[in-house]
Amino acid sequence: ELMLTQSPGTLSLSPGERATLSCRASQSVNSRYLGWYQQKPGQAPRLLIFAASSRATGIPDRFSGSGSGTDFTLTISRLEPEDFAVYYCQQYGNSLYTFGQGTKLEIK
Amino acid sequence: QVHLVQSGAEVKKPGASVKVSCKTSGYTFTNYAIQWVRQAPGQGLQWMGWINTGDGHTKYSQNFQGRVTFTRDTSATTVYMEMSSLRDDDSAVFFCARGSVTLDYWGQGTLVTVSS
Repeated sequence: ELMLTQSPGTLSLSPGERATLSCRASQSVNSRYLGWYQQKPGQAPRLLIFAASSRATGIPDRFSGSGSGTDFTLTISRLEPEDFAVYYCQQYGNSLYTFGQGTKLEIK
Repeated sequence: QVHLVQSGAEVKKPGASVKVSCKTSGYTFTNYAIQWVRQAPGQGLQWMGWINTGDGHTKYSQNFQGRVTFTRDTSATTVYMEMSSLRDDDSAVFFCARGSVTLDYWGQGTLVTVSS
């Protein structure tokens, strides 16, 4: 069973700083099937990135995704106050879906 | 405008069943699969399975196989998730979400509390 491991578990940064979140797969993932989500307390997750590097509709360009194979990255170039949340990576393969355990991005 | 609206919170006793609905609108219902995701209190997202809204074919995570059933009503553009033999540790928020690869629209979530 494919597993996604996100790191770090918690990331403490200040507004204006750059955030780099990692998602590592236990086996190679088709980049077309890798997505990133943001979840704020009490809300449903929101799709940020699909196909590893394409921004979803309405997502600011400070969010970017990259990677291939087993290593993927979500980068937030300059943190805004509303970006502090939990982020999940997700992959699809062989009719099954997997989420990473999440990275909590908190204000330092 | 795409919307997924889920039914309201439920309180159930251990051993009971619960059925959660996900009413969709704003797009062609049968063009997109619907996924179900569970989130236990303070925990991450756990994929449960999906239903092909076109032909009703379902795929369940091994973690839920045999205890959950997804159905759909195409005339009502609504998908249902039924979970049986509820346990205390099944208390969670359940989300429906649209998509076959990545999940671009989500319901607001339904809180299911299992308590004796």
